[in-house]
Amino acid sequence: SQQGEEDPQALSIQEGENATMNCSYKTSINNLQWYRQNSGRGLVHLILIRSNEREKHSGRLRVTLDTSKKSSSLLITASRAADTASYFCATSPTGGATNKLIFGTGTLLAVQP
Amino acid sequence: GAVVSQHPSWVICKSGTSVKIECRSLDFQATTMFWYRQFPKQSLMLMATSNEGSKATYEQGVEKDKFLINHASLTLSTLTVTSAHPEDSSFYICSARDPSGTSGSSYEQYFGPGTRLTVT
Repeated sequence: SQQGEEDPQALSIQEGENATMNCSYKTSINNLQWYRQNSGRGLVHLILIRSNEREKHSGRLRVTLDTSKKSSSLLITASRAADTASYFCATSPTGGATNKLIFGTGTLLAVQP
Repeated sequence: GAVVSQHPSWVICKSGTSVKIECRSLDFQATTMFWYRQFPKQSLMLMATSNEGSKATYEQGVEKDKFLINHASLTLSTLTVTSAHPEDSSFYICSARDPSGTSGSSYEQYFGPGTRLTVT
């Protein structure tokens, strides 16, 4: 299976705390993206980081990418109850079909008010 | 940002019947759309890549005769689950890419809200 893995599988924190999720993948990539999914709903694109980038910020989100370790992390700072959702990383492998995405296993984040 | 819709939002059907799910890009033209399946508390698994005007490309292990994909226009792709069985019950999600990049990054895929299929 090409599917990437994320850890932790689930994470529960208090409002105001930071949440860190990690993603590991198996192949060379063009880019890596993070998505959010509320229960039973579609996906919302959060951030994209290209293979030649090491870190990217967007609001309370910070993403890092280490292509030598084939890993990425997503940090959500000052978490809010509304951040409760599942978070998935998705990679776009090099040499694959245009924009084919391989999703990680996901991390379920619960932010307690 | 770009909007992708799916219809229906949920459907319940009897075993042995066929169900069609529509995926539309509302404000951009999508030459490529993707169909995913998601079982409860699991990740999205790519089923097939739908190409406008040509045959879909299926992932390994996905039966092309069971999951019929038609991408007849630049804004519509359909997935038909034929002779559905209870094990086909799942959340089906489509996505579309805006190759022009006018709706955002040309790398970005825009996801529909999903269709929950329950086969009884």
